[in-house]
Amino acid sequence: DVKVTQSSRYLVKRTGEKVFLECVQDMDHENMFWYRQDPGLGLRLIYFSYDVKMKEKGDIPEGYSVSREKKERFSLILESASTNQTSMYLCASSRDRVLYGYTFGSGTRLTVV
Amino acid sequence: QKEVEQDPGPLSVPEGAIVSLNCTYSNSAFQYFMWYRQYSRKGPELLMYTYSSGNKEDGRFTAQVDKSSKYISLFIRDSQPSDSATYLCAMKETSGSRLTFGEGTQLTVNP
Repeated sequence: DVKVTQSSRYLVKRTGEKVFLECVQDMDHENMFWYRQDPGLGLRLIYFSYDVKMKEKGDIPEGYSVSREKKERFSLILESASTNQTSMYLCASSRDRVLYGYTFGSGTRLTVV
Repeated sequence: QKEVEQDPGPLSVPEGAIVSLNCTYSNSAFQYFMWYRQYSRKGPELLMYTYSSGNKEDGRFTAQVDKSSKYISLFIRDSQPSDSATYLCAMKETSGSRLTFGEGTQLTVNP
């Protein structure tokens, strides 16, 4: 089974902290994605990467950055956490061309206080 | 206007009912259509996948795509309490790797 593993299920951070969310996949997928999911807004794409050291902005990149130093790992960084970044964060991966869809991780529920 | 519209529900049905979940879209370039199921506090998992128009059946689940109407559906027959989840539609153009998701419909099947 393809596995996408997110390092934390629940996180509580303080306003202004720098936050790192880690995601690792074990199926040699080329593409990796970070989404946030909020009630009434659905899934919104933050950033994605189609290769090592490559990144593309999604629909809501403001306040976030990403890092992909190795093919299997894609990190989401909140430079200075704010309360409006409280959300469920979902990582996903896929083969190139996404013929069979994404595989998602279980999500990280981040609360910024 | 959103590229993909999906009624968020919530939808509540009795066990054994036939459930119909739907999405409409505006981008005529979409060729790949998917349905994901997301249980509470979990990530979405791929449930059904279709290419272009037509039907696809997998057990109690049937996915339909009508490209002329820009409308896709997921039917669940003999619904079970274990089907209670949020169902998200997703679509993709032929080129590129990015999926566009609907908002998701929350379904509850009552015993």
